[in-house]
Amino acid sequence: DAGVIQSPRHEVTEMGQEVTLRCKPISGHNSLFWYRQTMMRGLELLIYFNNNVPIDDSGMPEDRFSAKMPNASFSTLKIQPSEPRDSAVYFCASTLDRNTEAFFGQGTRLTVV
Amino acid sequence: RKEVEQDPGPFNVPEGATVAFNCTYSNSASQSFFWYRQDCRKEPKLLMSVYSSGNEDGRFTAQLNRASQYISLLIRDSKLSDSATYLCVVNQVATTDKLIFGTGTRLQVFP
Repeated sequence: DAGVIQSPRHEVTEMGQEVTLRCKPISGHNSLFWYRQTMMRGLELLIYFNNNVPIDDSGMPEDRFSAKMPNASFSTLKIQPSEPRDSAVYFCASTLDRNTEAFFGQGTRLTVV
Repeated sequence: RKEVEQDPGPFNVPEGATVAFNCTYSNSASQSFFWYRQDCRKEPKLLMSVYSSGNEDGRFTAQLNRASQYISLLIRDSKLSDSATYLCVVNQVATTDKLIFGTGTRLQVFP
């Protein structure tokens, strides 16, 4: 298995533009997580899905952020419109089940100028 | 109060030293605990799970204290390659599937 795959690896965009981050979890994993990491705040959980259903989105910072998981093998995190303070590394992770290891993708480094 | 708290460090230790990190969590219903390691500009990776009875994996020992709501990680005989950020992770399985990460403790091992 190739592991969790995220794209793009790097994204530079102008303020106000729409940004879409993509994630393919490990096949067979039931839960998918989106995290944002910054130096100041560390790894913050934005939203997670279980069996493609959003379970907890309390970490989504504001309405500009939205996430979908249309099927078991694909999820997107969208920011519209983007702002400079959204600059961070966004990680996607998946787990097989509760109490099991979370596997992370390599992250998307987002810079909003 | 943050759900998971760690001393950010950095901890600067010489090779061969023993170093310990603590992590506290606020939700007494938390069920599962882990230590992850993150290298600079890389993704976090599981280092070890933390079991109620404590567990050891080579030079690494993890302990859980439910009464005081903290977990610890002990690294013996530190190697240069141990230099990384160590993330404490709590899974509130009883209420949700949330994996909550601490902000991490940075370890730098010097020759």
